[in-house]
Amino acid sequence: DIVMTQSPLSLPVTPGEPASISCRSSQSLLHSNGYNRLGWYLQKAGQSPQLLIYSASNRASGVPDRFSGSGSGTDFTLKISRVEAEDVGVYYCMQALQTPITFGQGTRLEIK
Amino acid sequence: EVQLVESGGGLVQPGGSLRLSCAASGFTFSNYWMSWFRQAPGKGLEWVANIKPDGGEKNYVDSVKGRFTISRDNAKNSLSLQMNSLRAEDSAVYYCARSSGGAFEIWGQGTVVTVSS
Repeated sequence: DIVMTQSPLSLPVTPGEPASISCRSSQSLLHSNGYNRLGWYLQKAGQSPQLLIYSASNRASGVPDRFSGSGSGTDFTLKISRVEAEDVGVYYCMQALQTPITFGQGTRLEIK
Repeated sequence: EVQLVESGGGLVQPGGSLRLSCAASGFTFSNYWMSWFRQAPGKGLEWVANIKPDGGEKNYVDSVKGRFTISRDNAKNSLSLQMNSLRAEDSAVYYCARSSGGAFEIWGQGTVVTVSS
């Protein structure tokens, strides 16, 4: 199984400041089609997860451009350029290169 | 509107069975891989199973193999998860989700399964 490791697990951020979450996979997530099968999801309290970033660096429909994803192979990063109060929740990276599909432990972003 | 709506959750005794359903609307259901995920109370997300658009391929996480069965009815735009021999550790919110190119862009609201005597 591919192991996904996120850091940090807790992220207190002042509104307006940037934030960054790292995700590392135990093996390369590069698909034969040239894209990395890595997605970032946000789960707000009491809600279903929502897709933020797919294929490591593509913003999903309706996602604000303050969210960006980067990385390839085994190292990936989610960045929020200026955190807003509505960004509070748990962020997960997920690999979908092979089954079992696996998630990172989650990073809880909170507002200072 | 593209939508997934789960149903069928509830309280069941250890060793019992439950069948979850996911009703899809607003898109061509038969074109997409579909998955079930779950989230135990206070825990992270876990993928449970997925199924190919034509139902010809199914995959499961090891912990549910031999106990859970994923299926779909493309004529009824419906996804199901038959859960047998349920254990306390199967207690969770269960979500169905649609995937495209490995990205899960549509999720249902979830249905709660509680396994307890």
